[in-house]
Amino acid sequence: SYVLTQPPSVSVAPGQTARMTCGGDNDEYKSVHWYQQKPGQAPVLVVYDDSDRPSGIPERFSGSNSGNTATLTISRVEAGDEADYYCQVWDTSSDHVVFGGGTKLTVL
Amino acid sequence: EVQLVESGGGLVQPGGSLRLSCEASGFTFSNYWMTWVRQAPGKGLEWVANINQDGSDKDYVDSVKGRFSISRDNAKSSVYLQMNSLRVEDTAVFYCARVEWTTPGFFLYFDLWGRGTLVTVSS
Repeated sequence: SYVLTQPPSVSVAPGQTARMTCGGDNDEYKSVHWYQQKPGQAPVLVVYDDSDRPSGIPERFSGSNSGNTATLTISRVEAGDEADYYCQVWDTSSDHVVFGGGTKLTVL
Repeated sequence: EVQLVESGGGLVQPGGSLRLSCEASGFTFSNYWMTWVRQAPGKGLEWVANINQDGSDKDYVDSVKGRFSISRDNAKSSVYLQMNSLRVEDTAVFYCARVEWTTPGFFLYFDLWGRGTLVTVSS
């Protein structure tokens, strides 16, 4: 089955840029989506289709996807951005949804 | 208001059954695929099952096949998850979510989530 790999943790100072990666286990293109989950809350979609933002998500959140690695970038990080971030793809070969293991973003 | 509200969680013994419900409001429920996603305590997100608009197409993660069944009632704007033969490792918060598709390409993602319902499997 398809696997997505995310680093367990990323730390960044307020005002700096946070970059979180999501690696796929083959080179077949898959659109990547990102969710933010704060403690005790449901996930929230922050980027879809590699780089699109839902309405209400700040422009500080951006995404990219090249080769077999997608990246979520948060510019001008704020304390309120501290959360777990999950990437997700749709594996069309199995019709299964796959989530990465999640990255915990710590704002120093 | 556009929202999803889950219910039906609780404490159940291993081998028992539970039926989760998710009621949608604020949008045309029958136009959307729906999904269930779970999260074990302290762990990441795990997709459980999808169902298409009329209930004719369903998919499950391998670990629940034959034990869980997803269904829907469009007249009640609700999606359900029937869980049988529950195991300790099924303990999790279960979220329902609305499915959207990228265009072009038709890759699935989840644009609206409920707040979740906790299922605890323990003797």
